[in-house]
Parts: sequence; structure tokens; C-alpha cells
Amino acid sequence: DQQVKQNSPSLSVQEGRISILNCDYTNSMFDYFLWYKKYPAEGPTFLISISSIKDKNEDGRFTVFLNKSAKHLSLHIVPSQPGDSAVYFCAASASGSARQLTFGSGTQLTVLP
Amino acid sequence: DTAVSQTPKYLVTQMGNDKSIKCEQNLGHDTMYWYKQDSKKFLKIMFSYNNKELIINETVPNRFSPKSPDKAHLNLHINSLELGDSAVYFCASSSIQWGGNGYTFGSGTRLTVV
Repeated sequence: DQQVKQNSPSLSVQEGRISILNCDYTNSMFDYFLWYKKYPAEGPTFLISISSIKDKNEDGRFTVFLNKSAKHLSLHIVPSQPGDSAVYFCAASASGSARQLTFGSGTQLTVLP
Repeated sequence: DTAVSQTPKYLVTQMGNDKSIKCEQNLGHDTMYWYKQDSKKFLKIMFSYNNKELIINETVPNRFSPKSPDKAHLNLHINSLELGDSAVYFCASSSIQWGGNGYTFGSGTRLTVV
């Protein structure tokens, strides 16, 4: 049972445009959400996170939006750069669970020059 | 100076063999994890140790045995390897009450069982 879903396995965007990566979750106990970025042959690296008490968090070119009623979050990258080409994983955590992270299956983002 | 280091990076071995993957973190974290990335690219938690104590043990065959000699190390031993064990295994670490940035991952060990 996938509690975190990334329904788009891949996304291509033009350099300079906006990239929007989506993530849905089913577990209403999740109260913290993170995005990780992964390059080939490397481990995932933390990108940005958001607590369930917020609906938006911004860090430079990266913004995460959380819609709790829809159990949906999205990652916006503006402007997209070729170096952003990577696999992006959405992850979620519930308090009291030793902060175990549950991951989605990832979305391969390709930014075309 | 690598924060979470795993060895080896690649491991090719025959069915039935026993192998170990080592993980060390120098971040001062008190919790370490093993995740498996399968062929469908999902990252699934296998085990978690907090201060050398097992706190998460997902449904994993008992051929997989984690060992934590101290809170900076978490090794994974796999007995009687099977073809289906082929995957990328990631070690990670965090503070038990991490705030904001989750885990720090190692670069992964690609295990191929032939």
C-alpha cells in the first residue's frame, strides 16, 4: 500500500521555465513533508521541507506547497536549470513514528537547454 | 569529509553467498537506517537503530541482519543471497528528533546477485 505517490515518473521542461512536481499522500497522520533530489550513483540529498502547520515554504528557486485537504503537495522550481535534472523524491513522516520517512517512487526531471 | 559513507559501492556475488555492507556516519547523529531501492525505484525502509538499539524492523527476510556496534556504525549482513536481493541499499542517519531536513544518506551500495 503506497502511502506516498508520485504519479508522474518523468517530466521534461525547458530551461528557464517552471518545473512542477506533484505528490499525493493517503496517511492523514503525516505531519512533515520533504523533497529529496537524487543524481545517478549518489544518495538522495535533502532539498526542502514543510510542516503541516504551513501551506508554503520557499527557499531560493524552490517552493513547496501543501494542500492538506487534498492530501497533495507540489514542488515548484523557478527558473529551471539544466543542473536541476535529477530524480526528485517526495517523502512524508508522522510524529511518534521514530520519524520514519516514507518515500514516493520519484519523478525524473529533465531540464532541456 | 564524507558524512555518511557506505562500503562497498558495488557488490557482485553469487546466489547463496553471505555478504556484508558497512555504513559509518560522522555527523554525531543518534539514529541510523537501512533503505532498499528496488527495481521500481521505491525507497523502502528496512531497519532503524537509535543509539545501538533496534527501533524499526520492517517485514524483511531474516536473512538480513543489521548490526550496530556503536551509534556511528550500522552494518547490514545478508545470508544466503537470492536473485531478488539485487537492489541498491542506502544507509542514512539522523537525530531521532530531526527537525526540518530529515535524513542524510550515503551514496548507496548496488548489490547484484548472479
